[in-house]
Parts: sequence; C-alpha cells; structure tokens
Amino acid sequence: GENVEQHPSTLSVQEGDSAVIKCTYSDSASNYFPWYKQELGKRPQLIIDIRSNVGEKKDQRIAVTLNKTAKHFSLHITETQPEDSAVYFCAVYLYSGGGADGLTFGKGTHLIIQP
Amino acid sequence: EAGVVQSPRYKIIEKKQPVAFWCNPISGHNTLYWYRQNLGQGPELLIRYENEEAVDDSQLPKDRFSAERLKGVDSTLKIQPAELGDSAVYLCASSFGVYTEAFFGQGTRLTVV
Repeated sequence: GENVEQHPSTLSVQEGDSAVIKCTYSDSASNYFPWYKQELGKRPQLIIDIRSNVGEKKDQRIAVTLNKTAKHFSLHITETQPEDSAVYFCAVYLYSGGGADGLTFGKGTHLIIQP
Repeated sequence: EAGVVQSPRYKIIEKKQPVAFWCNPISGHNTLYWYRQNLGQGPELLIRYENEEAVDDSQLPKDRFSAERLKGVDSTLKIQPAELGDSAVYLCASSFGVYTEAFFGQGTRLTVV
C-alpha cells in the first residue's frame, strides 16, 4: 500500500507571507495528487490537484509542484490571508488495476495565519 | 446540484450497541469511499466501492464493521458491536472514478460512551 508523510504538522506564518507544505510518498506508481482544505468542523474540500504527467500547476495564489523522481509534492500558498487558516491534507492516489488502490491521506498540516 | 449527503450528523451510543451510517453520493458518481477521521488526523480509508462492488476493503475491521452499496447508489456502514475506540467522524465521499476529485459529505460524528 501507499505511505504518505506530510510536513510540517503545524505552520504559522504572517499574513501576506508564503506557506509551503510538503508531502512524500512511497509508491512510484502513484499517479494523482490532490490537496484538500478542511476548516474546523467542516468537510474536506479539494483546492488543487496534479497528475503524474505534470510537474507544476497553479491556480491564483495556490500552486502545487510534483517531483516524481524524489517522490514528493508540495503545496505553495502565496500572499496568505486570514481565511487560509485551516488544516490542509495532501493525498495520493495509487491505481494499479488491482487491490490496494484508492486515495491515501497525509496526517494534515494546521496552517495558522498571524495578523 | 446536491452534494454528498450523510446521516445522521451526530450519534451517541453506549459501547456494545450497534450503529449504522447512511450515505447518498452525488448522482452519477460510480466510486464511493468510506473514511474514518480521528481528531487531529487525516481521513483513513475503510472501504472503496466501484458501483456495487467493494474493490478495496483491506482496512475495514471485518469482525465488527460491515458495509453495503445496494444498486450501486446509496451505501450504509455498520458497526456491531461498537467499542470506545470507534469514536470518530465517519466520512463518505464519492467521485466519477479514478483520478477525479472526491467530494466529501459532512460526516457523522460518532461518540461511543
């Protein structure tokens, strides 16, 4: 099965600064890498995703980079705002056409935006 | 468009009692997931369905947990008997298929006392 490690577990940044969260995975056959944002008491919601044939993807202040050789991918948030405060989860999808497929999540990063 | 609907939102039961959760996925979504999320942790996959077939249930504690997805639409997850350690939020998610966004329901917060 897949093993996903996410760092840091807590990240505090000043409003307006950038935040970077990194995840590593173990199975080189993994091929889909979404990031979810979960606000307190709410459901996880997708904010950006990337597939294994792409190295970088950007959506306004959010970007994700993927290094397949090193088996890690990162979430970058620029010009952070108070509403960015939440828990962020990376996830990895391994599809092999057989067992042990599915979406495996990291343990989460609690992002705190300091005013 | 309605999202993933789960019920109940909250459930408090005594240990050794049975409990069931229900999930209605987004219309047309073939893939359905059940996850368990403990406080301060990421969601952990319990079972994944492709239509009505359970294709990944390796993490489901089969001695007390069971799930079904009749007709490839709604799904129920059951625990019998519940233990104190089962207290968590149970999340249902659905997607069109592989490599696509999984949409989550609001979850059911289970407290076993």
